[in-house]
Amino acid sequence: DTGVSQDPRHKITKRGQNVTFRCDPISEHNRLYWYRQTLGQGPEFLTYFQNEAQLEKSRLLSDRFSAERPKGSFSTLEIQRTEQGDSAMYLCASSDSPHNEQFFGPGTRLTVL
Amino acid sequence: DQQVKQNSPSLSVQEGRISILNCDYTNSMFDYFLWYKKYPAEGPTFLISISSIKDKNEDGRFTVFLNKSAKHLSLHIVPSQPGDSAVYFCAASGNNAGNMLTFGGGTRLMVKP
Repeated sequence: DTGVSQDPRHKITKRGQNVTFRCDPISEHNRLYWYRQTLGQGPEFLTYFQNEAQLEKSRLLSDRFSAERPKGSFSTLEIQRTEQGDSAMYLCASSDSPHNEQFFGPGTRLTVL
Repeated sequence: DQQVKQNSPSLSVQEGRISILNCDYTNSMFDYFLWYKKYPAEGPTFLISISSIKDKNEDGRFTVFLNKSAKHLSLHIVPSQPGDSAVYFCAASGNNAGNMLTFGGGTRLMVKP
């Protein structure tokens, strides 16, 4: 297993367009997390799945943000009607149990023009 | 309200000397603390962690110290190597939102040959 992977690595879009990012966690990791990182800041928690259940989504930044993990394996994060303020690095992490370290993917860098 | 703070945005150290990175937190519900290292264009990489029931954890050149009464933790790197040059984030978790991580703003470490 090569770790957490994310696709695409870079995305440039125009304001108002929808974008979708994919995350493939480490095999057998039942916990999957999405974070956002803006320049000069640490990652900021967005949402969390345990298997296919989204157990925390109150930290999603607005109702334009949504995430799914339909079969408890890969996950997608969608941003509708993108705004310039959505430009950031979107990070995915996975873990196999609470209080174990989360392993991060390389991130998807989004630029909204 | 920043619950995890890294007050030094940057630190420069000579190769072979000790690097000390500091982190303060405010939320007394945090019970697990982690340090991550991040290179440009990559996701954070886990370094070392410590549970709140301990005050020290060591792994090779890396040691993390936790002072619960002061709500302070530090990462010591001895001896520092040029390859250690990166941004270091401290993170904390408690028993909420699937043990989501709350990150500090990061400290950029530069190790000079």
